[in-house]
Amino acid sequence: GAGVSQSPRYKVAKRGQDVALRCDPISGHVSLFWYQQALGQGPEFLTYFQNEAQLDKSGLPSDRFFAERPEGSVSTLKIQRTQQEDSAVYLCASSLQREGGYTQYFGPGTRLTVL
Amino acid sequence: AQSVSQHNHHVILSEAASLELGCNYSYGGTVNLFWYVQYPGQHLQLLLKYFSGDPLVKGIKGFEAEFIKSKFSFNLRKPSVQWSDTAEYFCAVIPGSGGYQKVTFGTGTKLQVIP
Repeated sequence: GAGVSQSPRYKVAKRGQDVALRCDPISGHVSLFWYQQALGQGPEFLTYFQNEAQLDKSGLPSDRFFAERPEGSVSTLKIQRTQQEDSAVYLCASSLQREGGYTQYFGPGTRLTVL
Repeated sequence: AQSVSQHNHHVILSEAASLELGCNYSYGGTVNLFWYVQYPGQHLQLLLKYFSGDPLVKGIKGFEAEFIKSKFSFNLRKPSVQWSDTAEYFCAVIPGSGGYQKVTFGTGTKLQVIP
């Protein structure tokens, strides 16, 4: 596709439910990033993949958050036992990395609301 | 850890007014700098970027930004705003000149242009 796509665009979960958020990066992009954007804030880094390797997960707020990219393309962010504080927009971005600078291209995000 | 400050949280301008949005970062070494824009209902898009060379960077839609190393600043400017520039603007920083580094975003500035 032409850009980064994410699904679902909106997700409502009851507290305690597990959710899975999907990201399809731009074809050929080596690097993939997940961010969490709370209301009124800028995106906050969660985790980074280079191909299938998760090289940095230091931004994941708790062990309830898990991300994978098993074949180096599509990535899934999973949140177990969701809490109200998990309500945010979850953004995915990808970059070519060898482009000569780390320009990241963002998807539309998934807005998660935990009731 | 590096941080990015955007002091103007909400700016209201009339059409044709000049715009300057402030961005300051805290990192003493080499930096890569970005401005992203998010139009209402759309995803984050790259407006312009600075990696090296001429500190005055020109981006899309008539925007420009100036990197002033001594002031740790990367302010965004536009001589004459249009109603269509109504959006939220995010400054972002990646420290270092090689290898993977995390992106740090500012909290964003909401620009409202009044016709």
